[in-house]
Amino acid sequence: GNSVTQMEGPVTLSEEAFLTINCTYTATGYPSLFWYVQYPGEGLQLLLKATKADDKGSNKGFEATYRKETTSFHLEKGSVQVSDSAVYFCALNIPTFGRGTSLIVHP
Amino acid sequence: EPEVTQTPSHQVTQMGQEVILRCVPISNHLYFYWYRQILGQKVEFLVSFYNNEISEKSEIFDDQFSVERPDGSNFTLKIRSTKLEDSAMYFCASRGQGRTEAFFGQGTRLTVV
Repeated sequence: GNSVTQMEGPVTLSEEAFLTINCTYTATGYPSLFWYVQYPGEGLQLLLKATKADDKGSNKGFEATYRKETTSFHLEKGSVQVSDSAVYFCALNIPTFGRGTSLIVHP
Repeated sequence: EPEVTQTPSHQVTQMGQEVILRCVPISNHLYFYWYRQILGQKVEFLVSFYNNEISEKSEIFDDQFSVERPDGSNFTLKIRSTKLEDSAMYFCASRGQGRTEAFFGQGTRLTVV
């Protein structure tokens, strides 16, 4: 069946550092891939998506590229801010979510 | 901007009682989902609903759970006899026809005492 594997957290960074959160998936066919973000005490917000191989999703400085050859959809941001502190979930189609990766950014 | 709304935001109930969690999906969406999240950890799929019937459910969604779309706007999750381990944040989500992404509500925090 479908599954998503995310790197364990928490990821702790200083402000302006480069961020990578790894996500790999197992699926049949050609799934759509998503990153959702959950800020403390809030619900899940769609951050970005990609629907086919080699697509790049981007939003708010975050990017992820759909790599079918490596079955990956890693989230990256060039310079993180304290306000990016949240839990990030990789998702496959709907309803399959990864376990979430907590990001903590220090000033 | 259209959004998914959930009520109540927080519900406390006694073990063994029935609860109904309510959701109003985005108005032209046709696919509906319930998820739960325990202690801010992983997001667990419960059930998906389309065309007035369950399209998929997880092993968590046993006989004590049910879903209903009682009218054109609401989508409810009922837990018949709550257990302590049902304490969690419950999220409703909806998705439009021909769209791949789902939009989530702010959640209902259920506390079973």
